[in-house]
Amino acid sequence: EIVLTQSPGTLSLSPGERATLSCRASQSVRSSYLAWYQQKPGQAPRLLIHAASARATGIPDRFSGSGSGTDFTLTISRLEPEDFAVYYCQQYGSSPGITFGPGTKVDIK
Amino acid sequence: EVQLVQSGAEVKKPGESLKISCKGSGYSFTSNWIGWVRQMPGKGLEWMGIIYPGDSDTRYSPSFQGQVTISADKSISTAYLQWSSLKASDTAKYYCVRAIMLTSPYFDYWGQGTLVTVSS
Repeated sequence: EIVLTQSPGTLSLSPGERATLSCRASQSVRSSYLAWYQQKPGQAPRLLIHAASARATGIPDRFSGSGSGTDFTLTISRLEPEDFAVYYCQQYGSSPGITFGPGTKVDIK
Repeated sequence: EVQLVQSGAEVKKPGESLKISCKGSGYSFTSNWIGWVRQMPGKGLEWMGIIYPGDSDTRYSPSFQGQVTISADKSISTAYLQWSSLKASDTAKYYCVRAIMLTSPYFDYWGQGTLVTVSS
């Protein structure tokens, strides 16, 4: 099973700042099959990014994903108030088990 | 607009059975995988399994194989998650998800979640 590690656990930033979130896999993720989700308190998760760098429908371009192999990054170029949330990465390059990372919380400094 | 609408919160006792539901609309229900993700209180996300309603092909996470049953009724565009004997450790929010299946799935639409509480 591929284990995903996300860092940092919590990121404290101010609106307008740039956020850089890391997701590291215990082994190479085939075909860069890596997704990112955002979850706000009391809400369901929402897909942001799939295939490491492809934005999902309706996702603003301040969200971008990059990486390959074992190292992936989600970048939020300028934090908006609505971006403070928990972010999860998920790999889907192995079968039968997909795995999620433990999450990074982005909170207001 | 793709929508996944889940059944309401449940409170059950250990040992009881339960079936929760998820109705899909705004897309072809029979041509898309649909599944379930668990989130225990204050914890992260865990994939449970998916089903292809067109032919009932079902895939389970190894962690949940034998613990739950996933099914679908394509005549009413509804997927189900079922337990035969609940445990306190099944207390969680369960999300219905539409799955894009490649080597394994990722999830492009999510239901609002169904909170299941199991307590004596």
